[in-house]
Amino acid sequence: NAGVTQTPKFRILKIGQSMTLQCAQDMNHNYMYWYRQDPGMGLKLIYYSVGAGITDKGEVPNGYNVSRSTTEDFPLRLELAAPSQTSVYFCASRLAGGPNTGELFFGEGSRLTVL
Amino acid sequence: EDKVVQSPLSLVVHEGDTVTLNCSYEVTNFRSLLWYKQEKKAPTFLFMLTSSGIEKKSGRLSSILDKKELFSILNITATQTGDSAIYLCAVNSGGSNYKLTFGKGTLLTVNP
Repeated sequence: NAGVTQTPKFRILKIGQSMTLQCAQDMNHNYMYWYRQDPGMGLKLIYYSVGAGITDKGEVPNGYNVSRSTTEDFPLRLELAAPSQTSVYFCASRLAGGPNTGELFFGEGSRLTVL
Repeated sequence: EDKVVQSPLSLVVHEGDTVTLNCSYEVTNFRSLLWYKQEKKAPTFLFMLTSSGIEKKSGRLSSILDKKELFSILNITATQTGDSAIYLCAVNSGGSNYKLTFGKGTLLTVNP
């Protein structure tokens, strides 16, 4: 079982560069999320999607974009990278609805450094 | 704005000690509270709590929710070095989009 797969695991970017963090899940989950985690700050929601073709902003969307063309994939794009985007990024997914579907399944994270 | 506050932010104990981690919240339309354990990589799910006063238990870990006082505790008895991790509390404040608001986490270090 692959679960939630994120690539790359590590990346160093120069200021102003752009890149895409890939996320794929094979559990047929409707809901997918992107979080960033800064030291001592917990997880902050960047964007989320409740299904293919539907995306919405979270708490900290500035400087990022997402798309959801398929159920499986939810890439996160960074345009014009800035040092403030240095962070660990987690993709997560869950089933829609039902009392026992509260659990978020996380990918292993992508550590991004912007210099 | 939804708020989740965890305390303490860090804690150092010796193997065999019992620890209690706290999570308080202020959210609109509470649905559930979740606890996660994060070691080096991704958070892993521990418990989901929806009802007050019902303890959830898994081995040496247990958790309970108080919806009147708006808090939850996570207890770990007979701690082991493998319990060293960041423990995250998150609250689902409802709606069809299921957004979790996370606390900053408690960094637990268990020394041998």
